[in-house]
Amino acid sequence: EVQLVESGGGLVKPGGSLRLSCAASGFTFSSYSMHWVRQAPGKGLEWVSSISSSSSYIYYADSVKGRFTISRDNAKNSLYLQMNSLRAEDTALYYCARDSGVGDAFDIWGLGTMVTVS
Amino acid sequence: QSVLTQPPSVSAAPGQKVTISCSGSSSNIGNNYVSWYQQFPGTAPKLLIYDNNKRPSGNPDRFSGSKSGTSATLGITGLQTGDEADYYCGAWDSSLSAVVFGGGTKLTVL
Repeated sequence: EVQLVESGGGLVKPGGSLRLSCAASGFTFSSYSMHWVRQAPGKGLEWVSSISSSSSYIYYADSVKGRFTISRDNAKNSLYLQMNSLRAEDTALYYCARDSGVGDAFDIWGLGTMVTVS
Repeated sequence: QSVLTQPPSVSAAPGQKVTISCSGSSSNIGNNYVSWYQQFPGTAPKLLIYDNNKRPSGNPDRFSGSKSGTSATLGITGLQTGDEADYYCGAWDSSLSAVVFGGGTKLTVL
């Protein structure tokens, strides 16, 4: 079964750091670009960052640029998001999503991991 | 404020058809593919439409997508109460080098 499982969320004080992980299974992880998307409580979807299959191309939303770092380990089928200098507005459910490979569509999503900055 | 603009809510009766609009610009919808997502409360989004008008296998053909210029539309026919959800459009923005989403549209089936 194709699956993404996020972990690493929690409660952190403003200015603190967290590292999110996303474990992939059921597909050839190394062949796909991956993304982080977040959703603040009661709000819409916000794209956070993406990384290409070989880590050659990395992009960030302006709201997190300079504070968050995306990375991946294809040998471990894992995606990461290092979040530093966290702010209250970073409070959200963070989803890991697979890029379908066509038109930047996200075809597989995890259940998300909650990050609360307070 | 979202880069892509969607109506906050739409409603229609069971069995009817509804459309949800998504308006953007030449840097996103105008020159890139649009995707649509369905999200039920407390669950992760699900891909409904990709490449403007293609449906992933397993998705019912009651859902359709179209694009014209800098706008896209999601159509849902034969509305069911089970279609009540939030719907989001998304696209790559070449100027921002970022994926952008609409603010989401809440569908109510009366």
